[in-house]
Amino acid sequence: EIVVTQSPGTLSLSPGERATLSCRTSQSVSSSYLAWYQQKPGQAPRVLIYGASIRDTGIPDRFSGSGSGTDFTLTISRLEPEDYAVYYCQHYDNSPQFTFGPGTKVDIK
Amino acid sequence: EVQLVESGGGLVQSGGSLRLSCAASGFTFRSYWMSWVRQAPGKGLEWVANIKQEGSEKYSVDSIKGRFTISRDNAKNSLYLQMSSLRAEDTAVYYCARARSYPFYYFDSWGQGTLVTVSS
Repeated sequence: EIVVTQSPGTLSLSPGERATLSCRTSQSVSSSYLAWYQQKPGQAPRVLIYGASIRDTGIPDRFSGSGSGTDFTLTISRLEPEDYAVYYCQHYDNSPQFTFGPGTKVDIK
Repeated sequence: EVQLVESGGGLVQSGGSLRLSCAASGFTFRSYWMSWVRQAPGKGLEWVANIKQEGSEKYSVDSIKGRFTISRDNAKNSLYLQMSSLRAEDTAVYYCARARSYPFYYFDSWGQGTLVTVSS
């Protein structure tokens, strides 16, 4: 079973700053199976990135995904007020089973 | 526009049963894998189960095996989750989600969720 971890647990940043969120898997995984979601309080999650680096339709280009193997990164180049939220990475394996990381909360410094 | 609308949540006693429904619209429901994802209060996301387009394949997380059953009715554009032997730890918001498959596996549309509260 592949374990998905995220760091840091909380990231406190000011608007306009760059946010770097990490997602790690316990074994090397295919980039095609890695996605990132944003969730705001009281709302359902929405996908930002799939295939580790492909922005979903309508997602601003300040969001970017990168990585391979066991280490993946979500970067928000310049934080906007609407970007303060919890971010989850998700992995799929061929069981088939989906696994979410514990999340990173981005809050206002 | 893709829409997923869950219903059927509520308060139930431990050991009880509940059936969740998800009404889908705005897309060809029978062409997609569908899933249930839950989120306990103040916690993260947990995938619960998914079902193939025609319903021939179903998969679920170990913690619900033997207690929950995912099903679908393509004629009614609906997804279901029959939950029995409910436990306090099943308390969560349950989301219906459309799953994308090969070559990329992720959830591209979500409902607003329905809250299930299991009292002990």
